[in-house]
Amino acid sequence: EDQVTQSPEALRLQEGESSSLNCSYTVSGLRGLFWYRQDPGKGPEFLFTLYSAGEEKEKERLKATLTKKESFLHITAPKPEDSATYLCAVQGASGAGSYQLTFGKGTKLSVIP
Amino acid sequence: DTGVSQNPRHKITKRGQNVTFRCDPISEHNRLYWYRQTLGQGPEFLTYFQNEAQLEKSRLLSDRFSAERPKGSFSTLEIQRTEQGDSAMYLCASSLALLAGGNTQYFGPGTRLTVL
Repeated sequence: EDQVTQSPEALRLQEGESSSLNCSYTVSGLRGLFWYRQDPGKGPEFLFTLYSAGEEKEKERLKATLTKKESFLHITAPKPEDSATYLCAVQGASGAGSYQLTFGKGTKLSVIP
Repeated sequence: DTGVSQNPRHKITKRGQNVTFRCDPISEHNRLYWYRQTLGQGPEFLTYFQNEAQLEKSRLLSDRFSAERPKGSFSTLEIQRTEQGDSAMYLCASSLALLAGGNTQYFGPGTRLTVL
């Protein structure tokens, strides 16, 4: 069974204070690891897909990295508008045609002006 | 390119009533997924379709839940005899199947169900 653990559960940062969010996972064959941003009362918004260890992707102040056991979402010089819950999910290759995502509980990020 | 849309956005119902939600995926996306999310938790997989075929169902999907995707376009999720434990955000996502590798799922805004 695929599992995803995210830490910390909540993170408060001052504006401009860089930090990282962690996503540890166990999966039977990784098809992909996904990062989403979710604002209160809304659906998850896609950020990144990573497929193999060593891969990195960037978008504005966000950078996602992947190893065989975990992924990090690095936030550089965050702004208040980056406040949201960040969700990590994996798509395993167990069973033919299994494309469901297994999510962690998320990290709630608050950026204080 | 319009995103995934879901209707209604909010639904309040009394215990024991039936409810139906609709999801319109991104056009030309052949895979469609339903998830359920409760407060403080990540989304949990319920079921998924490839075109009109329902290929996988979670153990979470009790006999009171049924989903359809006629003609491989929009999808409906029906909950019969609702219970208070069904209160949650119901999320729909769609993706375009690739021959290899993972595929990115794009989510709709969700339908918030409250069972009184």
